[in-house]
Amino acid sequence: KNEVEQSPQNLTAQEGEFITINCSYSVGISALHWLQQHPGGGIVSLFMLSSGKKKHGRLIATINIQEKHSSLHITASHPRDSAVYICAVPENTDKLIFGTGTRLQVFP
Amino acid sequence: NAGVMQNPRHLVRRRGQEARLRCSPMKGHSHVYWYRQLPEEGLKFMVYLQKENIIDESGMPKERFSAEFPKEGPSILRIQQVVRGDSAAYFCASSSEDRYNEQFFGPGTRLTVL
Repeated sequence: KNEVEQSPQNLTAQEGEFITINCSYSVGISALHWLQQHPGGGIVSLFMLSSGKKKHGRLIATINIQEKHSSLHITASHPRDSAVYICAVPENTDKLIFGTGTRLQVFP
Repeated sequence: NAGVMQNPRHLVRRRGQEARLRCSPMKGHSHVYWYRQLPEEGLKFMVYLQKENIIDESGMPKERFSAEFPKEGPSILRIQQVVRGDSAAYFCASSSEDRYNEQFFGPGTRLTVL
């Protein structure tokens, strides 16, 4: 059974700061997901990656398959980036196993 | 191309009533996953279905909960005789046969049991 750990659990930042959220998992996987959830809101899929690095706007996701570790970076953070960021990995029948999430607050 | 649709978005039930949550997958998607997020907790897998088949229900509570994905129409998650502990956000996700790794999430249904 895969264990997914995220750090930090909570993160506060000033607008403009560079942010890193980490995710580690215990069992080899085919792909890893980064998701975003706003308070009281739905879930948006940010990235699905199986190797290397992906970039979308100010968001960058990297994964190291050998080390079983992924990072989500936000450059030039903005208050609208305030949300919970969740990493998830597939298991067995491709159901997703989720980390506990990182609650990010960006202050102006 | 419409995304994953869930309805209702908010559902209020009294203890003992039934709750029916609907999920319409993205067009062309034949795989549906249901996840539950209890208050202040992370997301947890409940059940994985393909058309007319339950593939994995290892996350479903043993009693009162059932799910189906008929040949025609949306997937339904049914909770009988709801209790306060069923209050949660229920999300469904869908994927296609050839890109089953890529799940797209619906907006969720927030169930409140009074």
